[in-house]
Amino acid sequence: NAGVMQNPRHLVRRRGQEARLRCSPMKGHSHVYWYRQLPEEGLKFMVYLQKENIIDESGMPKERFSAEFPKEGPSILRIQQVVRGDSAAYFCASSPIGQGGAGANVLTFGAGSRLTVL
Amino acid sequence: AQKVTQAQTEISVVEKEDVTLDCVYETRDTTYYLFWYKQPPSGELVFLIRRNSFDEQNEISGRYSWNFQKSTSSFNFTITASQVVDSAVYFCALSERIGNQFYFGTGTSLTVIP
Repeated sequence: NAGVMQNPRHLVRRRGQEARLRCSPMKGHSHVYWYRQLPEEGLKFMVYLQKENIIDESGMPKERFSAEFPKEGPSILRIQQVVRGDSAAYFCASSPIGQGGAGANVLTFGAGSRLTVL
Repeated sequence: AQKVTQAQTEISVVEKEDVTLDCVYETRDTTYYLFWYKQPPSGELVFLIRRNSFDEQNEISGRYSWNFQKSTSSFNFTITASQVVDSAVYFCALSERIGNQFYFGTGTSLTVIP
């Protein structure tokens, strides 16, 4: 049973380039979440998606960041025109459909994608 | 306002010592969930425990135990007879009945010295 798969594990970009991070949820999970971990900080929520739907993007920066979870294929977190402040670890998590709302579910996290912007 | 506070930034203990990691949370929701995750040096986050707000029973799993105190809004984690493999960053997190996100503390970095 593969867990949550994220790639690439490490990504280096120059300022102004685009970064694309991919996440395949755990088998049987239909909910995907993206979190960002800045150095010396905890994880901060970015976005919550189900297949073909963005459910909650309240944590996403208003500009340059977008996320999708298509009917087929992995979820993608896209960062356009990266800046140095985007350097962070980006974690994807997934959960099954559960009762009590998204907060009741245990999140299974991937190993993270570490973005470095030069 | 920060919803989860882990006041201990770094802790070092000698192998076989017991260690307690503190977690204090803040919420107005009457139904909520508390979690602990472990982040070893390899970077992934490993789920350790979930506790809902209606279950105040303490839990023990091997060398790990958790003390949930609603009166003090705390959910502390104790490792008994620590081992080098316990060295990691430990995160406490809160989720609420309404809402879709986990609120993570800033983590406690535990180093177990052989």
